[in-house]
Amino acid sequence: KQEVTQIPAALSVPEGENLVLNCSFTDSAIYNLQWFRQDPGKGLTSLLLIQSSQREQTSGRLNASLDKSSGRSTLYIAASQPGDSATYLCAVSYPGNQFYFGTGTSLTVIP
Amino acid sequence: NAGVTQTPKFQVLKTGQSMTLQCAQDMNHEYMSWYRQDPGMGLRLIHYSVGAGITDQGEVPNGYNVSRSTTEDFPLRLLSAAPSQTSVYFCASSYLAATNEKLFFGSGTQLSVL
Repeated sequence: KQEVTQIPAALSVPEGENLVLNCSFTDSAIYNLQWFRQDPGKGLTSLLLIQSSQREQTSGRLNASLDKSSGRSTLYIAASQPGDSATYLCAVSYPGNQFYFGTGTSLTVIP
Repeated sequence: NAGVTQTPKFQVLKTGQSMTLQCAQDMNHEYMSWYRQDPGMGLRLIHYSVGAGITDQGEVPNGYNVSRSTTEDFPLRLLSAAPSQTSVYFCASSYLAATNEKLFFGSGTQLSVL
């Protein structure tokens, strides 16, 4: 069974700080890896998708990297803002339309 | 621009009752899926479909049924609700899984089984 782990489970940082969220997975034969944001009581919104052949993707202040061989991905958030407070989840997809999610990192950005 | 629509948003059931959670998408996605989200366990796949008339089991299918008669709709049926099915349920869809297709989620249904 594929295991996806996210560390830390919770993170609190002051506004303006740069931060890194971590995601690791056990089976490297992935199609892609996605990073999602979830606000309380809401669904998940896809932030970035990295295909298995790519090393990184960027969107605004967000940068996601992928190292398939080591089974790791990071989400870098630059110049954090209070509006970035949310839970961030990573998910890996495999042939056969199987997606596996981590349990998420709850981020609080303190004004 | 509706995306993925789930109804109801909240539901309380008694043990043994049955109900259907509705999911509809207007993006012509072939792939649709149901997840449950429980504290400390992340999202777990219940059932999924790659097109009308085609469904398959995910990681935790017991106690749930699905059908896919149209591309747009993918209802999830709880046959005889149990307290262990208390959870938040999410429907998600995408174009048929390839290397670059994002997964779109509905806003969820919070279900309590007493």
